[in-house]
Formats: sequence, structure tokens, C-alpha cells
Amino acid sequence: DADVTQTPRNRITKTGKRIMLECSQTKGHDRMYWYRQDPGLGLRLIYYSFDVKDINKGEISDGYSVSRQAQAKFSLSLESAIPNQTALYFCATSDASTPYNEQFFGPGTRLTVL
Amino acid sequence: SQQGEEDPQALSIQEGENATMNCSYKTSINNLQWYRQNSGRGLVHLILIRSNEREKHSGRLRVTLDTSKKSSSLLITASRAADTASYFCATDPPNSGGSNYKLTFGKGTLLTVNP
Repeated sequence: DADVTQTPRNRITKTGKRIMLECSQTKGHDRMYWYRQDPGLGLRLIYYSFDVKDINKGEISDGYSVSRQAQAKFSLSLESAIPNQTALYFCATSDASTPYNEQFFGPGTRLTVL
Repeated sequence: SQQGEEDPQALSIQEGENATMNCSYKTSINNLQWYRQNSGRGLVHLILIRSNEREKHSGRLRVTLDTSKKSSSLLITASRAADTASYFCATDPPNSGGSNYKLTFGKGTLLTVNP
């Protein structure tokens, strides 16, 4: 089984709808991240969480919110989706007990907002 | 903002040739990492080099780091069609306290290895 899973894998929605993307991990890592990837722009950090009570904004948090329901679960919500939020979304985790911040990625969610 | 910038943006080579990708960054780092992404899939960690290291090997991968020039290179030797992917460098800043340990990714190099 995959260590970092994301649901759904693909989603098509309409402008104005609320969307939740979910991430679960079995790696036992404290740190979790949400990124979006757009063609030609690489990965950009939306939110990150270093434990259940520690949530931080990344470089592009506007229009997004997150919830860390447990150590293993980190959800990303789009309160009112807009077309420019069409992108590939990745969840990642890293182990706080190492100093090197190697990150482990989920398979991604392809979101299309019409 | 992007910390790492890969060069070239795209690279096409024949199977068996070596592929070299470069990464430049702007601020000091704790370490620099390289990741691979097959089309539309999640990134996979390849190799990490610490700021006090100059060269590191892992199988067919060789990474160099020049902190004076703020640059790194990834060499893939004897490339295979299966190496076709996008390659990203990511920088990990020094821990200055507070909420740190977040990587900054470059835009990637798309490597195509032709059979």
C-alpha cells in the first residue's frame, strides 16, 4: 500500500463549489504539506503543518484552507473554487526526527474548475 | 518565490548518453535535494547533498554542490528510456528557529531519453 494517499485522484467541478482534497499517510511523520503544480511554474507551497496544532500558510494560501484532523490526515479545502485553481495538487510528508527534510509525495489530485 | 532554478528547461538525449542538469539558488542552504517526477505523478526523492559536501553518488546519479557559486548539478550516466521524467532541485534553508524546514522547489528540467 502507498505510504501517502490522496483522494480523489481526479475531480472536475464548477466555479463557486466547495471542494475538499484529502491526504492520509502511514509513514508516522509529523510534518505534512500541500503543494500545487502548474505547467512551467514548478511546485508552490500552499500550507504546511508541523503537528496537529501547528498550521502555517505557504506562499499561495489565498483561496485555500486546511484542516489537520490527526497526525495522519491533512485536508485541503477550496471554499469557492475558481478556474485559476485548476492544477495538480500534491500532499507530502517529512520526518521531524531527521534534520534533512526529505519529503515523500502522494500521487496527486488533478483538479479542474470549469 | 522560486529559490532554485534548473537549467536547461528541457533536454533530449539518446539512450546511453549522459544527462547533466543544473540548479542555481539564491540564499544559503542546509541541504539541496533532487527529485524526479514521471508524467503527472508524485515526486520521488533521488538524492540529498548537505551544504558541507561537494559531491555525492547514488548508483548512476552524481550530484555536485558549489556553495560559493550557489549551484548544483545532477549527472545521470548511461541514461535509459525509463529515466525520461522531470527533475527538480529543492533547497532546504538553514534552521533559523520557528516554523522552518520547508523546501523550495525549482521549475524543473524535462529530460527525454530516446531509445
